[in-house]
Amino acid sequence: SAVISQKPSRDICQRGTSLTIQCQVDSQVTMMFWYRQQPGQSLTLIATANQGSEATYESGFVIDKFPISRPNLTFSTLTVSNMSPEDSSIYLCSVPSGQRQETQYFGPGTRLLVL
Amino acid sequence: ELKVEQNPLFLSMQEGKNYTIYCNYSTTSDRLYWYRQDPGKSLESLFVLLSNGAVKQEGRLMASLDTKARLSTLHITAAVHDLSATYFCAVIDSNYQLIWGAGTKLIIKP
Repeated sequence: SAVISQKPSRDICQRGTSLTIQCQVDSQVTMMFWYRQQPGQSLTLIATANQGSEATYESGFVIDKFPISRPNLTFSTLTVSNMSPEDSSIYLCSVPSGQRQETQYFGPGTRLLVL
Repeated sequence: ELKVEQNPLFLSMQEGKNYTIYCNYSTTSDRLYWYRQDPGKSLESLFVLLSNGAVKQEGRLMASLDTKARLSTLHITAAVHDLSATYFCAVIDSNYQLIWGAGTKLIIKP
């Protein structure tokens, strides 16, 4: 199984500011996923981050708001830009793992509160 | 478009009882996942079901998959308080992305 760490684990931010979330994996992976989980809700995929190419964003998410970097096969960042209270969520990165990439493992999450 | 429905969304039960959470999905998929999430925590992978008729068990939890009916079940046997959590099912779509159910919040009373 993959071991995934995220920084920060939580933060409280003022509206209009930006926060960059880091995701580190203990093995090389081609694909990394960024999810948002709003309070009491299920998960929503923000984007897929592939090393060496632009991230692929899901409907409703744009690069200007959620820029992603993927400098190598073990690391990615997600920035939440120009934050508003509606951005208060848990942000999770995940990676596929296993012999056939059949399981997705999740990082511990970053709990963001925007005031 | 692949859609995933879980029911019930909320379940309160007594310790020692059995119950089942259902996960229906709308189109063909190769894989179905069950995850557990404790309050304020990340998601823990419970089961990955890859084929029709697959059944996996871990402790008091057993998951099964019927691809013809597009239905998976998560059965809880003789529930204990420690199983209180939110349980999510997710199905992989043709783009290898996970489509998530809404989650079932399970409360097990001592």
